[in-house]
Formats: sequence, C-alpha cells, structure tokens
Amino acid sequence: EAGVAQSPRYKIIEKRQSVAFWCNPISGHATLYWYQQILGQGPKLLIQFQNNGVVDDSQLPKDRFSAERLKGVDSTLKIQPAKLEDSAVYLCASSLGAASGRGEQYFGPGTRLTVT
Amino acid sequence: KNEVEQSPQNLTAQEGEFITINCSYSVGISALHWLQQHPGGGIVSLFMLSSGKKKHGRLIATINIQEKHSSLHITASHPRDSAVYICAVNPDSNYQLIWGAGTKLIIKP
Repeated sequence: EAGVAQSPRYKIIEKRQSVAFWCNPISGHATLYWYQQILGQGPKLLIQFQNNGVVDDSQLPKDRFSAERLKGVDSTLKIQPAKLEDSAVYLCASSLGAASGRGEQYFGPGTRLTVT
Repeated sequence: KNEVEQSPQNLTAQEGEFITINCSYSVGISALHWLQQHPGGGIVSLFMLSSGKKKHGRLIATINIQEKHSSLHITASHPRDSAVYICAVNPDSNYQLIWGAGTKLIIKP
C-alpha cells in the first residue's frame, strides 16, 4: 500500500515570496491533515479536511496561508507571502477517519521549508 | 503542566540494550499513538493503542488506562532505531492530537 506522498521534500525561498506544497493521501482516506512543526516543537495542526470540506482551520493564519482539497483527494497548502517564522517542516497526514477524525494517522515524509 | 508528559527527554544507550520510553497523560483519551521521527522530518506511526499491548517486530507498546500511562519498549536496540519517539493522544473531548515533547533516542554501536 502506498503511503502519504508529499512534494517537494525541501524548499528554500526568500521572505515575501510564495510557496505551495502538495499532498496525496493514502487511497480511501477521507481525512487529511496539514501540520506545521517548528524545530524543537511538536506538530501544530493547521487544517483538517473531511473529504473536500474543512473540519477545523482555527490555527491556520488565514492572512497568508490557504489550503484546498478540491476533489477530496489531493491537497495543496500555500503560503503567500512567506515570513521568516514560517520556516518549519510541513507534514501531511491522512486517516480513514470518521467524522470525528479519530483513528490512526499516517504521515508523509514532510516538506522542510527554509525562509531566508 | 503539559497534558502529555514523556520521559526521559533524552536517552543514549549501547546497541543491544533494552529501551523503555514512558508517556503519562492527564486527560481522558480514546486512543494513544506512538510515532517515530527521524532527523529528516518525516513521521512514522508505530502504534495506536486504546488498551492492552501491541507488538511489532522489536517494538512493544503497552497502555494502562486506569493509570493513564503508556510505555514503548525496544528490544535488542540497533543504531537505526536512533530517532525521536513521540507519544500523542486523542482526547475524549476533541479529535485533535495532543503531542508529547518527544524522546530523543541515540543508540551507539
């Protein structure tokens, strides 16, 4: 069974530039999560999708971050414009997920973003 | 006080040693997860537990719901086991995971 795929694996951009990350969850997984993990800290949930609907985006900085999951499968996370403090690993995860989103989450390899 | 506490924070051991990492939590939970994170950043889910014990290869995870405590054991440790091991819980009241701070494990050859 293929795992959660993410790309790119690494990205270096200058502040005020834009960047987009892509995630392909495990086939059949209804719930998709985007996390931000700053060095030395635990992952912080940015947004959770159930199919193509948003369940929770309360911690997503909506002035600069956006995410979509148009057909309930792949998802993209965009940052525009980037700030230095956005440097982090961005993790995508998926789960079979009931509406509660509980259950085992499967993580992708992450995208390490460096903003200079 | 954090809702999920892990100990030790750092652990260095020799190859072959039996490793134990502990996780205590203070909230009611529906499930507890053990995850592994390598320096490159990717996270791998090792176990999801709601009761009892699970075993996968050299890894064993146990949970005591009454005591709100879980342990992750590694038998016959190997340098490739070196990683950060993270405990995270699904609280009863919320679907969001509450994450422990992680235990950095180094296994020396």
